[in-house]
Amino acid sequence: GAVVSQHPSWVICKSGTSVKIECRSLDFQATTMFWYRQFPKQSLMLMATSNEGSKATYEQGVEKDKFLINHASLTLSTLTVTSAHPEDSSFYICSASRQTATPYFGAGTRLSVL
Amino acid sequence: GENVEQHPSTLSVQEGDSAVIKCTYSDSASNYFPWYKQELGKRPQLIIDIRSNVGEKKDQRIAVTLNKTAKHFSLHITETQPEDSAVYFCAASIYDTGTASKLTFGTGTRLQVTL
Repeated sequence: GAVVSQHPSWVICKSGTSVKIECRSLDFQATTMFWYRQFPKQSLMLMATSNEGSKATYEQGVEKDKFLINHASLTLSTLTVTSAHPEDSSFYICSASRQTATPYFGAGTRLSVL
Repeated sequence: GENVEQHPSTLSVQEGDSAVIKCTYSDSASNYFPWYKQELGKRPQLIIDIRSNVGEKKDQRIAVTLNKTAKHFSLHITETQPEDSAVYFCAASIYDTGTASKLTFGTGTRLQVTL
């Protein structure tokens, strides 16, 4: 199956700093990638749709200036959590698909903001 | 937008018994319904999926049924084993050929298979 790589897998940062998370499709081109957030013992909530070469589409309630998304190539999307605070601590997961129904998920990034 | 409800939130079964998890969705345009298994700290793993032109699909011990009229779908796991213990999520999306699939997830079911 298709492989989606996500990096880093775990990051700890101080409050007020920014953190960048990368999502790569390793063996296919993805014009669209999705970013999800999952708090402990909760479901995956879609944050935004990342579109190659254009602006991301954010879900209601997600601050676009806080969660910056860049999809500069067909194989890479990045999510930057700016001025992170403890309430941003969560599990962030990306997904990409080959223009089929089945999305492939990255391994996730556990963010802990101190 | 789409809303997916999932029940039960926790399910405990004895090894060898069957487990059933049910989901309902709100958007009649949804046509793709995957089920995921997620272990603690890991990515969701697709275990089975079904499209709206099919009423049932089976893969060994796992089966999914879909009732489009009622807008609900269910996951059935037979002969459960301890390694089936995990959190299971249903999801729904509207899939068009050539476009990526944006999933709306259910709230999850924590399945515990006891010896």
